[in-house]
Formats: sequence, structure tokens, C-alpha cells
Amino acid sequence: GNSVTQMEGPVTLSEEAFLTINCTYTATGYPSLFWYVQYPGEGLQLLLKATKADDKGSNKGFEATYRKETTSFHLEKGSVQVSDSAVYFCALRPAAGGTSYGKLTFGQGTILTVHP
Amino acid sequence: KAGVTQTPRYLIKTRGQQVTLSCSPISGHRSVSWYQQTPGQGLQFLFEYFSETQRNKGNFPGRFSGRQFSNSRSEMNVSTLELGDSALYLCASRRGERSYEQYFGPGTRLTVT
Repeated sequence: GNSVTQMEGPVTLSEEAFLTINCTYTATGYPSLFWYVQYPGEGLQLLLKATKADDKGSNKGFEATYRKETTSFHLEKGSVQVSDSAVYFCALRPAAGGTSYGKLTFGQGTILTVHP
Repeated sequence: KAGVTQTPRYLIKTRGQQVTLSCSPISGHRSVSWYQQTPGQGLQFLFEYFSETQRNKGNFPGRFSGRQFSNSRSEMNVSTLELGDSALYLCASRRGERSYEQYFGPGTRLTVT
């Protein structure tokens, strides 16, 4: 079956530091890949997505590249802010052709804390 | 445009009782998915509805059920509650069957005592 593995947290950084959160996946074909962010007391917000190999998703200074050869979708940001403190989830949606478009498989989440 | 709304936001129930949670998707969205979030198991898919039909079901016991109405609003029901059902239940909506983006609501925090 499909699975997503994220680097274990928590991750603690100082403001303006470089961020990498690793994400690897197991799936057949070419799934779509996503990063979601969850702020305290809130639901999940879509941060960025990539729907085919070598796609780069980007939003709010965050980037992730869909690497089929390494089955990875690592999240990066060049300079984090205190306001980026949240839980980050990597997720996949099965490849097109099935009936599982609404079923996301999530990683376990990575807690990020950024200090001033 | 209003986002996904879930009611109630917080709920406390006793073991053995049943509970119904409600989700109103974004206007125009026809797909609703439900997820359970716990510290131990993380985010797990419960089921998805599209145009009042269940399209997918996750690996949960039959005590967990759901439905979708003609206006796309959805409810999920958990019968014979167990302590392990304590969780944040998240609802997400999508515009169409093949839409990529899922928009999540704030969740319903269920505590079973």
C-alpha cells in the first residue's frame, strides 16, 4: 500500500535559519504529492503541491521538488520566521486512474519551532 | 467565500454512547473526505463521499459511518464509543472528483470518557 515517511521532529531553529524537512514515499505509479501545514488549534492548510515528476511546488518561500528517482519530496525554506512555527505534513494522493482522489495518505508530521 | 465548517467544535461523550459530527463544505464543492487525527496514529483517512455516494473507505470498524446529503453537507457517526475514539476529526472538501486541492475545516475535538 501507499505510505509516507517524514523525518522525525521536533525541529527547532533560530529565525532566518535554513529549513529542510525530509519526506519519502512508497506508491505505485506517479502519485501527486503535497505539503500541508497545521497551526495550533486549526485544521490543515495546503502549502504546496506537485503532480508529476520533477515538478517544483512553491508557496510563501517554501519549496519542494518531486523526485521520482529517490521517491522524495523534501520541504525547504531559505530563511524561516517565528510565524512558520507549526506542524508540517507530507501527503500523497494515488496516481490518476483510480477512485481514490479524495484519499490522502499522510506522514506522521514534523513539529517546527522557530525562536527569535 | 466561507471555508469548510464543522460542528460542534468540541464534544465530550461517555464510553458506549454514539455521536454525530457535521461538516459543511465550501459552496460548490461536491466531495467531502473525513480524517481522524490522534497523537499515536497521526492522520488517518476514514471515508470520502462524492455526490451522496461513498467512494472510498479507510480501515476503520463498522462503528464509523457517514453520509452525504444532496446539498453536499456530510455527517459522520460513531456508535458505541470507545476511549480510543478520542481524536480530532477533520473534514475536507474538494470541488470536483478529480480536483487536487482539499480544503480542511478546523475539526471537531471529540473526547470520550
